[in-house]
Amino acid sequence: QSVLTQPPSVSAAPGQKVTISCSGSSSNIGNNYVSWYQQLPGTAPKLLIYENNKRPSGIPDRFSGSKSGTSATLGITGLQTGDEADYYCGTWDSSLSAPYVFGTGTKVTVL
Amino acid sequence: EVQLVQSGAEVKKPGESLKISCKGSGYSFTSYWIGWVRQMPGKGLEWMGIIYPGDSDTRYSPSFQGQVTISADKSISTAYLQWSSLKASDTAMYYCARHMTDGHSSWYDYWGQGTLVTVSS
Repeated sequence: QSVLTQPPSVSAAPGQKVTISCSGSSSNIGNNYVSWYQQLPGTAPKLLIYENNKRPSGIPDRFSGSKSGTSATLGITGLQTGDEADYYCGTWDSSLSAPYVFGTGTKVTVL
Repeated sequence: EVQLVQSGAEVKKPGESLKISCKGSGYSFTSYWIGWVRQMPGKGLEWMGIIYPGDSDTRYSPSFQGQVTISADKSISTAYLQWSSLKASDTAMYYCARHMTDGHSSWYDYWGQGTLVTVSS
């Protein structure tokens, strides 16, 4: 059972915007940076966002990240059919549950 | 180009041992942590542990401590994940990934393609 909670699914039409929340606590998100990963069907996860809001080279600016308190948010604008995937947040956790934790995952569906 | 290439799919019986590998290239293998992540069929990502190949410093998730062993051979730029006695519940896809860390910041920037482990009698 992950300590980072995400909505199971979100959906929107092509061109629209979706946001995915990642809720944690002071032992993880509250005192550490958050990263986000995209997992297309049948493939390995891919880094989308690191240090809350930074994009690796090659990631379009349609993807954005933010953090406030013990929650983080991933935003995807100009939704495309190729964005249909599972999305996970991740961060350090200073409690003894696990040094690093991933969120429960969110399935994005493009209607 | 940074690459992590994992060993191929495995089919094993309960009670058997297994060691899967993850070979890094395109960067200084001994200077970055490598992490292992489990994904059971239809489920999310679970962090298993990390190793620093430079000195073999290893950290485990409490959920996996004692259940698996993470090791590395820096001479051949390869990290390993092994089981001494597999269970059916070990059936999953296993990913290795390069673990970047900087103080309170940590992320996985490069991932292997995954190794599917199937344990069935």
